[in-house]
Amino acid sequence: QAQLVQSGAEVKKPGASVKVSCKASGYMFTAFFMHWVRQAPGQGLEWMAIINPGGGSTNYAQKFQGRVTVTRDTSTSTVYMELSSLRSEDTAVYYCAREGSTGATRWNAFDVWGQGTMVTVSS
Amino acid sequence: DIQMTQSPTTLSASVGDRVTITCRASQTIGGWLAWYQQKPGKAPELLIYKASTLETGVPSRFGGSGSGTEFTLTISSLQPDDFATYYCQHFNFYGTFGQGTKVEIK
Repeated sequence: QAQLVQSGAEVKKPGASVKVSCKASGYMFTAFFMHWVRQAPGQGLEWMAIINPGGGSTNYAQKFQGRVTVTRDTSTSTVYMELSSLRSEDTAVYYCAREGSTGATRWNAFDVWGQGTMVTVSS
Repeated sequence: DIQMTQSPTTLSASVGDRVTITCRASQTIGGWLAWYQQKPGKAPELLIYKASTLETGVPSRFGGSGSGTEFTLTISSLQPDDFATYYCQHFNFYGTFGQGTKVEIK
């Protein structure tokens, strides 16, 4: 069955960068778009980015433009999300999530989620 | 940017109640609306996509309807496992979530 396993918790100082990984298994990695979503403590869900693992194209929420970079490694079926210039407001759980599809029809919805990676930004 | 507004923010209900959560889009989004359930400390789980299609394995007491700008998630008979927070979500080049509706025990 499809599974996404994320890297472990991180503690970073303000101004630093963090890179979170998301390893996919149980399905054809290049056939499904991958998204990144974050959730600050006690808050709602916030969409950050999308990558097409097949071609590598990306799109980022305007809020994170210039600070977020999403990449993929097809040899290891892994997607990476790097967020730079960290500030305390970036303290959150970061999730990768696969976009579901039926054949060539995308669902625009996320059917498989990673377990989440807690990123704490503190001096 | 499209904004998604859920109501209510909090809902108090009892086991067996019929529960309805509404999600409104700031502009028409066709039928591209999904619903998720999230429990504390867990990742969200997909319940419904394309406004009304039930994800595999989701109990039939969950139902979705709507199109355009107004959508509804209905739980026909609330079960103990259903006390959680629910989010609506839309994606079209950019993603957006509603602010969430917490369903708590009355």
